[in-house]
Amino acid sequence: DSGVTQTPKHLITATGQRVTLRCSPRSGDLSVYWYQQSLDQGLQFLIQYYNGEERAKGNILERFSAQQFPDLHSELNLSSLELGDSALYFCASSVETSEGIYGYTFGSGTRLTVV
Amino acid sequence: TQLLEQSPQFLSIQEGENLTVYCNSSSVFSSLQWYRQEPGEGPVLLVTVVTGGEVKKLKRLTFQFGDARKDSSLHITAAQPGDTGLYLCAGPFNAGKSTFGDGTTLTVKP
Repeated sequence: DSGVTQTPKHLITATGQRVTLRCSPRSGDLSVYWYQQSLDQGLQFLIQYYNGEERAKGNILERFSAQQFPDLHSELNLSSLELGDSALYFCASSVETSEGIYGYTFGSGTRLTVV
Repeated sequence: TQLLEQSPQFLSIQEGENLTVYCNSSSVFSSLQWYRQEPGEGPVLLVTVVTGGEVKKLKRLTFQFGDARKDSSLHITAAQPGDTGLYLCAGPFNAGKSTFGDGTTLTVKP
């Protein structure tokens, strides 16, 4: 158990629908990172939150949004879903040093299938 | 453009063999991380290398960071079926995010 909790583990939905993925970071961690992993694009950074504020943005579509709540859990909202959004979505906490990001602790992911 | 190129993409070997996988870039990284990912699970951090020329060992796994901090290798001695998985390298890119290579899928047959 990595300490990063993601729900649900699996999600099947139809095109055009909206879903919400949830993540609870490790106890005490203020950062939450969202990554998307698909077969053709590997692991792609989407967005980072730190203590409730957006800190960095990657290749996140306008149809996607995220937020981090006061209790530090985060939600990733995906709307107007397309077949190409089918992927594994991971949430992660980071270990940072003065030299930068030391590494990530990932949750088990949510497998999203859009049909 | 992929910042981190990993090779080979796929590797299938017999139990007991040795192997090396590579992570290369034209960019200098302040550090590089190696992860192993099993099907249906998130990547698990194996090691972070920080200093150019650094060598770290984790049981049968040896990680090396290139002198110029542009490349890294992972060597596995006497591979076992439990080593099967996707091996990913990653490095800090811009503040707040890391870039990942596409990974090497390793299969170790009993």
